[in-house]
Amino acid sequence: LAKTTQPISMDSYEGQEVNITCSHNNIATNDYITWYQQFPSQGPRFIIQGYKTKVTNEVASLFIPADRKSSTLSLPRVSLSDTAVYYCLVGYSNSGYALNFGKGTSLLVTP
Amino acid sequence: NAGVTQTPKFQVLKTGQSMTLQCAQDMNHNSMYWYRQDPGMGLRLIYYSASEGTTDKGEVPNGYNVSRLNKREFSLRLESAAPSQTSVYFCASSQGDRGSVGAFFGQGTRLTVV
Repeated sequence: LAKTTQPISMDSYEGQEVNITCSHNNIATNDYITWYQQFPSQGPRFIIQGYKTKVTNEVASLFIPADRKSSTLSLPRVSLSDTAVYYCLVGYSNSGYALNFGKGTSLLVTP
Repeated sequence: NAGVTQTPKFQVLKTGQSMTLQCAQDMNHNSMYWYRQDPGMGLRLIYYSASEGTTDKGEVPNGYNVSRLNKREFSLRLESAAPSQTSVYFCASSQGDRGSVGAFFGQGTRLTVV
C-alpha cells in the first residue's frame, strides 16, 4: 500500500483558505486518493476522493498533479468548526483493501 | 438510516476479562473494518473483512479476534483484556466498489481496562 506523508499540524485564521498537502510517492495505477475529517470524540468522515486532476464538492477541493505523487486538499474560507484532524489515504480503498490511516494533520482554526 | 452502529458506547473491564464489541451496518456494504485510536497515534487498523466470509489482519491484530457474522455484522473480541487495550475503538464499512464514496464510521466505543 502506498505510504503517505502529511504535516502533523497546521494553524489558520478564520476566513482563510487552507491547503493540506499529502505526499504519496509510490501510488499505484489503480489507487484512489481519499481524504477524511475527524472531530474530537467522533469517527472519521469522508470528505472527498479523486483519481486525477481536480475534484470539487460542497466541502472541499482536491488537486492531484499529473504524476499523482502528491495531492492537496483545499478548504476554502475555513471557520472555527473546521478545526479537526484530516487524513489522507491512498489505495484501492473501496475494494476492501486495508484502509490504513496515518496520524493525519491536525488543523487548528482560530478567530 | 442508522449507518454504522457500535455497541456498547462505553465499557470498563478488569484485566483478564473478555468482551465482544458489536458493529452493524445497514448500507449493504461489502467491507468492514475495526480500528483503535490512542492519543497522538491516529487510527490503527486491527482487522478488516473485505467481504462476507473473509477476514484479514491489519496493523495491530494481537490480542483481538473478529467474526464477520453476516454481511451486516462484524464483531471484535478481546479474549483477555489488558490495560494496553484501553482505547477508543471504531468500526467502519465501505461499499467495496471502485469509485464509491469511501468508508463510513461508527461513533466509537470507549474502552478502559483497569
